[in-house]
Amino acid sequence: QVQLQESGPGLVKPSETLSLTCTVSGGSITSSSYYWVWIRQPPGKGLEWIGRIYYSGGTYYNPSLKSRVTMSVDTSKNKFFLTLSSVTAADTAMYYCARSTIFPYYFDYWGQGTLVTVSS
Amino acid sequence: SYELTQPLSVSVALGQTARITCGGNNIGNKNVHWYQQKPGQAPVLVIYRDSNRPSGIPEQFSGSNSGNTATLTISRAQVGDEADYYCQVWDGNTAWVFGGGTKLTVL
Repeated sequence: QVQLQESGPGLVKPSETLSLTCTVSGGSITSSSYYWVWIRQPPGKGLEWIGRIYYSGGTYYNPSLKSRVTMSVDTSKNKFFLTLSSVTAADTAMYYCARSTIFPYYFDYWGQGTLVTVSS
Repeated sequence: SYELTQPLSVSVALGQTARITCGGNNIGNKNVHWYQQKPGQAPVLVIYRDSNRPSGIPEQFSGSNSGNTATLTISRAQVGDEADYYCQVWDGNTAWVFGGGTKLTVL
């Protein structure tokens, strides 16, 4: 059973950088069949994908966030990472990491989520 | 960009059938996936590729997709089925697209 677990600070100051880690267990992050994805959900609102990374390091980011997002992967530790720079209150959200199949692109496993609040 | 439209809320009487729609341009040509999200929890996949149930998802959940509308059907609705439901597709290029979500209330 694959499990994903997010970790990182729950409070980030405006204009600073948000950094999160997703630890994958029960399966290898180097599987060629999946993307590893970050998704967020502002309080009381819907889901928004942030970006995805392949085990080889290839990335693609949501164009609406592209200028501020960086994702990376450490295959030796079965982890992948998210940084979001220049955060504002609008970045306050529950952040989920998830695994997506490569075609037909659905999320079969999700982490429990971590709430990140942007506030001074 | 591709957009998905869901009703904000759907109500169903206990034990009856709930239908949650997801509208999109020619959505019948896409693979539609559905997620259930209960308060304080992460989303859970309940239907993939229009009508397939992952292991562990009860038979009461079913899906269909044709034309401009995909539908998630929940038979014999129970209080435990109260949740937000999201549809999702791949836009055919580079992006995952989510519907805005539907809150299901069981009366």
